[in-house]
Amino acid sequence: DTGVSQDPRHKITKRGQNVTFRCDPISEHNRLYWYRQTLGQGPEFLTYFQNEAQLEKSRLLSDRFSAERPKGSFSTLEIQRTEQGDSAMYLCASSLAGTGPYEQYFGPGTRLTVT
Amino acid sequence: AQSVAQPEDQVNVAEGNPLTVKCTYSVSGNPYLFWYVQYPNRGLQFLLKYITGDNLVKGSYGFEAEFNKSQTSFHLKKPSALVSDSALYFCAVRDIEGGATNKLIFGTGTLLAVQP
Repeated sequence: DTGVSQDPRHKITKRGQNVTFRCDPISEHNRLYWYRQTLGQGPEFLTYFQNEAQLEKSRLLSDRFSAERPKGSFSTLEIQRTEQGDSAMYLCASSLAGTGPYEQYFGPGTRLTVT
Repeated sequence: AQSVAQPEDQVNVAEGNPLTVKCTYSVSGNPYLFWYVQYPNRGLQFLLKYITGDNLVKGSYGFEAEFNKSQTSFHLKKPSALVSDSALYFCAVRDIEGGATNKLIFGTGTLLAVQP
């Protein structure tokens, strides 16, 4: 079990550019979550997949954000036309589906800096 | 709306002393509560959870948490703090109003500083 991995760990981009992040969940986990964390705050939910279906999106997820999980395994989060307010840590988490409220396991995060 | 509150931005404790990191919650229905720890430039690590049963929950690295329904609290505790426990601690509650996503609502975090 290698845990949840995210790539890249750090990304610096200029305002207006597009960026894409990747998340590889724990292999047997079919639930995948994206959160955003800004300095001094706890993570805030962005979106959720069960297998390949995107079942919920937060109002925080503007039209510039899109997420996919094409084969129910890894996921990508793309931000188009980045703004300085997008600077944050983007966290991916995965968990088992089922009847229990299973804990989520987090990756190391991708820190985005928009200049 | 569901929420969690961590009233202390920072907790300072001497190594070897007991520590408590406070969390209160506001949910409709039975809460599912979690504690996570975050080290610098790292993701969150799961420590423990309360779903049902015993009010005292034991977790990783010697941490435990006490669920108190009447006070709507879920405080994190450890009998003897280590310098290596110094980190940012987050309390979270499962969002049960948003369908079956199991997404978590986090507090703002408490920085634990353990002095040698």
